[in-house]
Amino acid sequence: GESVGLHLPTLSVQEGDNSIINCAYSNSASDYFIWYKQESGKGPQFIIDIRSNMDKRQGQRVTVLLNKTVKHLSLQIAATQPGDSAVYFCAVTVGNTPLVFGKGTRLSVIA
Amino acid sequence: EAQVTQNPRYLITVTGKKLTVTCSQNMNHEYMSWYRQDPGLGLRQIYYSMNVEVTDKGDVPEGYKVSRKEKRNFPLILESPSPNQTSLYFCASSSQGQPQHFGDGTRLSIL
Repeated sequence: GESVGLHLPTLSVQEGDNSIINCAYSNSASDYFIWYKQESGKGPQFIIDIRSNMDKRQGQRVTVLLNKTVKHLSLQIAATQPGDSAVYFCAVTVGNTPLVFGKGTRLSVIA
Repeated sequence: EAQVTQNPRYLITVTGKKLTVTCSQNMNHEYMSWYRQDPGLGLRQIYYSMNVEVTDKGDVPEGYKVSRKEKRNFPLILESPSPNQTSLYFCASSSQGQPQHFGDGTRLSIL
């Protein structure tokens, strides 16, 4: 089955700097990838997604990069702000099978 | 406003006393799911439902029941709760192939 891992459980960045959060997955057939943000006391909130037919997708201040060769996914946050402090999860799936979540990276923004 | 609503948000109860956590979504989503979130273990799926009257076990279904009699509701039932079911629970819903929307969570403490 699929397993999803993260490279760093915590990440601290200076306000205004760019943040990069990484995720690795195991199943080369995975075709849909999602990043979620979870703030304290709230449920995970959708940030951005990407399908396996793309390598890069951009949103507002966020970019997701997918490297299928090494089964690696990253979330880049530009000009990180205090409001970006949260736990970030990647989630991966194949077809209609249930999402498999990584354990999360806690991003702390230093003012 | 599109949302997933869970009730109660907090509950402290005792071992063996049956409880139900309700989940309702107003987005006409086919897919609904329950997760538990524990420190160091991330989000783990308990049960999911692809549509009305269709439910399936996730990764950690033991000790839980669900039902999907109506499209909008997906209650989680603990027939005989035990302390190892103390956790933070999330309900989520989505359309097929789309990112899941999460509720704000239910924190259960079973003494």
